[in-house]
Amino acid sequence: EVQLVESGGGLVQPGGSLRLSCAASGFTFSTYWMSWVRQTPGKGLEWVANIKFDGTEQFYVDSVKGRFTISRDNAKNSMYLQMNSLRAEDTAVYYCGRCRGRSIYYFDYWGQGALVTVAS
Amino acid sequence: EIVLTQSPGTLSLSPGERATLSCRASQSVGSTSLAWYQQKLGQAPRLLIYGASSRATDIPDRFSGSGSGTDFTLTISRLEPEDFAVYYCQQYGSSPLTFGGGTKVEIK
Repeated sequence: EVQLVESGGGLVQPGGSLRLSCAASGFTFSTYWMSWVRQTPGKGLEWVANIKFDGTEQFYVDSVKGRFTISRDNAKNSMYLQMNSLRAEDTAVYYCGRCRGRSIYYFDYWGQGALVTVAS
Repeated sequence: EIVLTQSPGTLSLSPGERATLSCRASQSVGSTSLAWYQQKLGQAPRLLIYGASSRATDIPDRFSGSGSGTDFTLTISRLEPEDFAVYYCQQYGSSPLTFGGGTKVEIK
């Protein structure tokens, strides 16, 4: 059974940092692109970043470029999102998702989500 | 980026009725680069349809998708109690991938 489990969410002050983790199981993690997608009541669902199966390519939505870094450790079946210089508008539930498709993706499995709240 | 507009915003129906949800793109997403998801309160989205019309694993055949280019439809042939939820479309034909704003299917 495919499982994705996020962790690391919480409350952080504006300008602060947080690192999310996504632990994968039930499939060969090292052969799949993976993504982070966030959801807010106001903006809905928004793709944030994705990473190639071997970690050699990463892509980001413009609003997080230079602030967020996606990475993975295939030996640990895990993906990460390092979030720096956090802003109030980064407040969201962050989901990790397994990518399917070619070059641009849809998501066949999602984690349960990690809530990130940026507030003073 | 491609903007996806879903309509109606809310659909009020009774169990056993047919639900028809629309997703319209601001420009062509290609012939079949569209997915549909179901989301229940407090849960992650669940993939229902990909490639505009292919059902994902373990999705009942009362769910069907159709359309191409800019106009897509998700149909639930006979609503079951567990189908009342929010439904999102997502295009993956053009970067960046984008999601629609959702249609809530509620019990009438």
